Amino acid sequence: ELKVEQNPLFLSMQEGKNYTIYCNYSTTSDRLYWYRQDPGKSLESLFVLLSNGAVKQEGRLMASLDTKARLSTLHITAAVHDLSATYFCAVPYSGTYKYIFGTGTRLKVLA
Amino acid sequence: ETGVTQSPTHLIKTRGQQVTLRCSSQSGHNTVSWYQQALGQGPQFIFQYYREEENGRGNFPPRFSGLQFPNYSSELNVNALELDDSALYLCASNHEGIQGQYFGPGTRLTVT
Repeated sequence: ELKVEQNPLFLSMQEGKNYTIYCNYSTTSDRLYWYRQDPGKSLESLFVLLSNGAVKQEGRLMASLDTKARLSTLHITAAVHDLSATYFCAVPYSGTYKYIFGTGTRLKVLA
Repeated sequence: ETGVTQSPTHLIKTRGQQVTLRCSSQSGHNTVSWYQQALGQGPQFIFQYYREEENGRGNFPPRFSGLQFPNYSSELNVNALELDDSALYLCASNHEGIQGQYFGPGTRLTVT
């Protein structure tokens, strides 16, 4: 059974600091997706990672995928308050659109 | 804006009742998935429809059922509601391909 774990579960950080969120998954997959969710809202797509070694950057966020290690990272550079949200990674079962979501990382950026 | 809409936004039902949630996908999106997200947790896959046929199911009982229609709309039906069914229900659609799913705004269901 595919399991997806994120750490940390909670992250409180000061503005301007850097940090990394980790997403580990238990079975082979060549794709991984990152989403952002604001309180009471739906999921916003951040990154689509489609191959080993894929790296995507958007603003202060950068995501990478290592399929051999079954690990993805979401790196935050010089955090700002607007990044406060819950971040999820999701991995599809091979050949399907059934996504298994991670536990989520609740990020709070303090001014 | 993902082009995926859901209705209603909020709903309150009583234990034992039945509920129907609706989703409208982007034109051309042949696949729709439904997820349940309990408070403080990640979304859990309920089932998926492809071209009006169920195409995969998660660990949810048969009282959760669905339909997909040719006009890219879909429904999630839940019978005999239980208190634990209280959650945010999300639908997501995608065109054939691997560029990811587009999520709707969700329906917040409260069962009392």
